[in-house]
Amino acid sequence: NAGVMQNPRHLVRRRGQEARLRCSPMKGHSHVYWYRQLPEEGLKFMVYLQKENIIDESGMPKERFSAEFPKEGPSILRIQQVVRGDSAAYFCASSPVIGGDYNEQFFGPGTRLTVL
Amino acid sequence: QKEVEQDPGPLSVPEGAIVSLNCTYSNSAFQYFMWYRQYSRKGPELLMYTYSSGNKEDGRFTAQVDKSSKYISLFIRDSQPSDSATYLCAMSKAAGNKLTFGGGTRVLVKP
Repeated sequence: NAGVMQNPRHLVRRRGQEARLRCSPMKGHSHVYWYRQLPEEGLKFMVYLQKENIIDESGMPKERFSAEFPKEGPSILRIQQVVRGDSAAYFCASSPVIGGDYNEQFFGPGTRLTVL
Repeated sequence: QKEVEQDPGPLSVPEGAIVSLNCTYSNSAFQYFMWYRQYSRKGPELLMYTYSSGNKEDGRFTAQVDKSSKYISLFIRDSQPSDSATYLCAMSKAAGNKLTFGGGTRVLVKP
């Protein structure tokens, strides 16, 4: 059973370009979370999605950032007009159907975005 | 003030020693408490989780939660060089909710 997959693993963009980060959850998982890790900092929650629905976007910057998890295909985190401050590692996590007990979030290897 | 505070370290110990890690938090709504291990340039992996207060043991790892003090701990017995990593505490208010992380503690176990 493959784990959470993210691609690309490394992404370099110039200021003003768009960055698209992709996340394929583990098989059977229908919940996806995106986190951002700035250098020398812990992970910060960005957004929580189910198939075709955004459940919690309280951590998403108001501008330039968007996320989707379509019925078919991977979840996409999109950053428009990137700035140097967007340089970070972006991690995706997936979880199975949420039940009454704790559901582990399984993390992918991350995408390291560098903005020149 | 951050919701979850964690000493960044680094914490350097000799092989075989006990590693003691801890986090404090300010939001009493947190119910689930996790410890993740993150190797350099990798994604976090879950070590242990605890619901509400109490202790939990798994092999060389023991997690403790004291909700009255808003304080959680992780102990690693018989530490090995392979335990050298960054350890992140995390917590959530309900199953499936977003995780709130501490800043992580770098641990170095010297042979």
